[in-house]
Amino acid sequence: AIQMTQSPSSLSASVGDRVTITCRASQAIRHDVGWYQQKPGKAPKLLVYSASNLQSGVPSRFSGSGSGTDFTLTISSLQPDDFATYYCLQDYTYPFTFGQGTKLEI
Amino acid sequence: EVQLVQSGAEVKKPGESLKISCEGFGFTFSTYWIVWVRQMPGKGLEWMGTVYPRDSDTIYNPSFQGQVTISADKSATTAWLQWSSLSASDTAVYYCARGWEGLGNAYDIWGQGTAVIVSS
Repeated sequence: AIQMTQSPSSLSASVGDRVTITCRASQAIRHDVGWYQQKPGKAPKLLVYSASNLQSGVPSRFSGSGSGTDFTLTISSLQPDDFATYYCLQDYTYPFTFGQGTKLEI
Repeated sequence: EVQLVQSGAEVKKPGESLKISCEGFGFTFSTYWIVWVRQMPGKGLEWMGTVYPRDSDTIYNPSFQGQVTISADKSATTAWLQWSSLSASDTAVYYCARGWEGLGNAYDIWGQGTAVIVSS
């Protein structure tokens, strides 16, 4: 199975900061990566699909980039509502695999 | 409203069987892949397997193959995840979600999660 190595595992930041989360795939996966946000006790929420496409309704401060093996999720200016855990997911080949998650804390 | 509604929390004993459900509303259920995702307490997300209700095509993560059964009924617009014999390590929250090629196979609608507690 393809491994998705996500970093950092945790990140301390402040409102207004620009933050970047990365995922590295163990093999090339084109642009077949999605990014998800999860808050405690809630289901994950899709933010970005196909590496760089913003899901409908997601604020434009979120953006994704990358192809091949290296992918990033960037939040341009952190808002209070953004403190959560973020996961990447490769949907290139079965079994799909998640990164380990990045907990974004104040 | 487009949504996936999961069955309620379960408390079971080791060795018991269990079947949890995920019902779709507001969309053509048969044309989306339905995935099951496990989240153990305090841990990350794990992709368990997926089913295509139109033809019941099912793909398992090898890590879960033989441990669970995934199925779906397109007429009932419902997918299921079942165990024949639970163990304490099955304690987790289980989410279903829908995926389709129009979003590059990403999962845009998620159920609310079903908590399963296995304890003697």
